[in-house]
Amino acid sequence: AAGVIQSPRHLIKEKRETATLKCYPIPRHDTVYWYQQGPGQDPQFLISFYEKMQSDKGSIPDRFSAQQFSDYHSELNMSSLELGDSALYFCASSFTYRDEKLFFGSGTQLSVL
Amino acid sequence: LAKTTQPISMDSYEGQEVNITCSHNNIATNDYITWYQQFPSQGPRFIIQGYKTKVTNEVASLFIPADRKSSTLSLPRVSLSDTAVYYCLVVTGGTSGTYKYIFGTGTRLKVLA
Repeated sequence: AAGVIQSPRHLIKEKRETATLKCYPIPRHDTVYWYQQGPGQDPQFLISFYEKMQSDKGSIPDRFSAQQFSDYHSELNMSSLELGDSALYFCASSFTYRDEKLFFGSGTQLSVL
Repeated sequence: LAKTTQPISMDSYEGQEVNITCSHNNIATNDYITWYQQFPSQGPRFIIQGYKTKVTNEVASLFIPADRKSSTLSLPRVSLSDTAVYYCLVVTGGTSGTYKYIFGTGTRLKVLA
């Protein structure tokens, strides 16, 4: 069965650089969620999109932005990277109003040096 | 949003039944409860969800008392591979008709041989 695809799997950046993380939800899933998980921490909700519109916002820094495209894939753009942005970033998708389970991708490990 | 409280950690032995209780005193009428499992460096994985009484699937049972202020995840006959972090989430309706999945501090279950 198709799963949530995230790319890249690993990303190394320098401070003040920018990064773009991509998420391809399970086919027919219309909602995408982004989470940030620091080392030894619990997943923190960043932002979600439903039918290409932002649906909820969590603790996403102003330096980050995200969007969901017409094919339902989503991108998380991170600028002016800081050391504290080093974390595992997960994307999850769901089929709203049909099956409320979240299906998570394998994550993107971002290291800011 | 209803805050959840779970034990920080638990140890068990192979073959035993493990019960993890989560308290969510401020749960709202339309909220439901869901549990996720997470292995290191992997995305959380859905285990079970419910609204009230008891729900059982092939991997776990979920007990929710009538007042819904707590819930108990029951894992029958755990094995070493069940060593993971378990999260209890109270899922609440967000804006735009979608749901909000906020992770609290999970329970680190360690299964011993």
